[in-house]
Amino acid sequence: DAKTTQPNSMESNEEEPVHLPCNHSTISGTDYIHWYRQLPSQGPEYVIHGLTSNVNNRMASLAIAEDRKSSTLILHRATLRDAAVYYCILRGLTGGSNYKLTFGKGTLLTVNP
Amino acid sequence: DTAVSQTPKYLVTQMGNDKSIKCEQNLGHDTMYWYKQDSKKFLKIMFSYNNKELIINETVPNRFSPKSPDKAHLNLHINSLELGDSAVYFCASTKARVGTEAFFGQGTRLTVV
Repeated sequence: DAKTTQPNSMESNEEEPVHLPCNHSTISGTDYIHWYRQLPSQGPEYVIHGLTSNVNNRMASLAIAEDRKSSTLILHRATLRDAAVYYCILRGLTGGSNYKLTFGKGTLLTVNP
Repeated sequence: DTAVSQTPKYLVTQMGNDKSIKCEQNLGHDTMYWYKQDSKKFLKIMFSYNNKELIINETVPNRFSPKSPDKAHLNLHINSLELGDSAVYFCASTKARVGTEAFFGQGTRLTVV
């Protein structure tokens, strides 16, 4: 499985932007970059995904490096409800990864009021 | 209307018992998963089914037997429960295409005493 590397934890203040980094230097050409988050006592929740171009949706933005070896999840204005573990995951066509999402340890985001 | 629903939400049982967890999705997805999240919060894939066929079995003990009666259901039966089986089990579903999002259930907290 192509692996991702994320910081164990990050801290932010409410209403400030948050940039969550992810390194995936062994990404293959067919791997999509997915982000999920898990709020306390809930199941993982989809946030955003992309292949090559930057992506925006109502929850967040995804900035993908030109060489695709890293990406950044951007929360434009963090709220207390954004406190969660954020997972960066690669999902592609090779090695059976099409049929699974392999979760790492993720980044625990703390949002201070 | 819940997209991915699991029952029961909580399950407390004694060692040696046999128990089942049910999962249903109403999204029309063709791929379903079971994940296990242990006390250290690490999410690990157990099984993946595509169109009722087992695709991935991540070296799970054969006491765990998934069953997919149709594309909308993936149940998990566990025989001879052990203390180490205590965890939160999550069901999820996706379309098979890599550029699509996964939906997770709210989890079943299994406690073996």
